[in-house]
Amino acid sequence: DAGVTQSPTHLIKTRGQHVTLRCSPISGHKSVSWYQQVLGQGPQFIFQYYEKEERGRGNFPDRFSARQFPNYSSELNVNALLLGDSALYLCASSLVPDRNQPQHFGDGTRLSIL
Amino acid sequence: GQQVMQIPQYQHVQEGEDFTTYCNSSTTLSNIQWYKQRPGGHPVFLIQLVKSGEVKKQKRLTFQFGEAKKNSSLHITATQTTDVGTYFCAGHMDSNYQLIWGAGTKLIIKP
Repeated sequence: DAGVTQSPTHLIKTRGQHVTLRCSPISGHKSVSWYQQVLGQGPQFIFQYYEKEERGRGNFPDRFSARQFPNYSSELNVNALLLGDSALYLCASSLVPDRNQPQHFGDGTRLSIL
Repeated sequence: GQQVMQIPQYQHVQEGEDFTTYCNSSTTLSNIQWYKQRPGGHPVFLIQLVKSGEVKKQKRLTFQFGEAKKNSSLHITATQTTDVGTYFCAGHMDSNYQLIWGAGTKLIIKP
């Protein structure tokens, strides 16, 4: 079975632009979470979605938004990009949004802001 | 705010030496999960601990959850080159759905 897939793998944008990142969870997984990982740090939680509903939001500005589709895939949108948004964006899926479920990560999208 | 502190940031060891990383939380955790991230890769789930004082082993890896459920450790015996990577702890607070991550400990094998 395929793991979590993310696209694109790399992206270069300039300040002020917007970006859409995509994620397909493992087949059968209904919960998707998004994380931002800055070099040398642990992942920071951005959003969790389950059954198309937002279940949780981390401490990120309103420039960050996301949605989940009926097939459980998800998009992360970031508007008005800042230099500080440069990071690895990771998507993780789990069967359900239960605390005791392990997170299965994709390879991430590396976003560079110039 | 809610934090999970992880030390050390780096550990250099000779192959065959042991490695330990420690996590401490400012508040009680409902669980603790450990992940490994290879250079250029993504975090991979290793194990979860839920009970106070719990100890679990996976071959050369030993994971502990403190009695107060505020700290945890990962110990690797006789490191091998395949152990290279960054080890992260991550936990849920009792009152929160968010998975809070430590900053990771990078295991480096000296040549």
